[in-house]
Amino acid sequence: DGGITQSPKYLFRKEGQNVTLSCEQNLNHDAMYWYRQDPGQGLRLIYYSQIVNDFQKGDIAEGYSVSREKKESFPLTVTSAQKNPTAFYLCASSSGDQPQHFGDGTRLSIL
Amino acid sequence: QKEVEQNSGPLSVPEGAIASLNCTYSDRVSQSFFWYRQYSGKSPELIMSIYSNGDKEDGRFTAQLNKASQYVSLLIRDSQPSDSATYLCALRTYTNAGKSTFGDGTTLTVKP
Repeated sequence: DGGITQSPKYLFRKEGQNVTLSCEQNLNHDAMYWYRQDPGQGLRLIYYSQIVNDFQKGDIAEGYSVSREKKESFPLTVTSAQKNPTAFYLCASSSGDQPQHFGDGTRLSIL
Repeated sequence: QKEVEQNSGPLSVPEGAIASLNCTYSDRVSQSFFWYRQYSGKSPELIMSIYSNGDKEDGRFTAQLNKASQYVSLLIRDSQPSDSATYLCALRTYTNAGKSTFGDGTTLTVKP
C-alpha cells in the first residue's frame, strides 16, 4: 500500500543532543513538508521541499535542518539549538494541486 | 488577522444532529480548500476537498464554498460519537508555492 512512513513513533532527546526524524513516502509525490504541532494548537510549517535537492524554510525553521537527497525521503533533524523541541512532528506529501497527506507522526520529548 | 480563522470550540452537538463547522480566510486568491479530521493523538486525515463555489457532498459530509464571502464550511449530518475530533480547515493559493495554510481547528464533541 502507498503511504507515508514516519519513524520512530516516540523519541526522547537529551539536552545538547541532535535527533533525526525519518519520513519516507512511496506515493511518488514531488513535494514534502514538515510540521510541528503543540498541544491544543494548529500545524506550523517547519520546512518544505518541492523537488529533490531543494528545500525552503517555513514559519518556524530555527533550530531545525532537513535534506532531500531522494524523492522518497525528507528527514528532519532537531538540533540542540531548538530549546523547546517537545511536540508532535508531522510529515506530509503532495503532488500538483492535490491535498497533502500525512504520516502517523513522531512524538518528541525531552529527557 | 490570521490567514485562516476557525472557531476553536468546543462545539457540542447531540447524536443525530447536524454539526456545522466554519472557516474564513483572508487571501482572495485562495484556490483549493480542504477539511481534515484529527482524532486526539493522531495525525490529520483528509475528509473533503473543494475547489469551486457551491456544495460538495460525500456521504454524511457536505463542504460549502463561497469565494465572494471568503468562507468554507463543513456540515456533518446524522452526527455520530465517532465524529468527535478536531476538524482542520486548510487552503492553498496560487502564490504560496504549493504550501497549504491550516487553521487551528475546531473541536467537535458528539454526545450520545
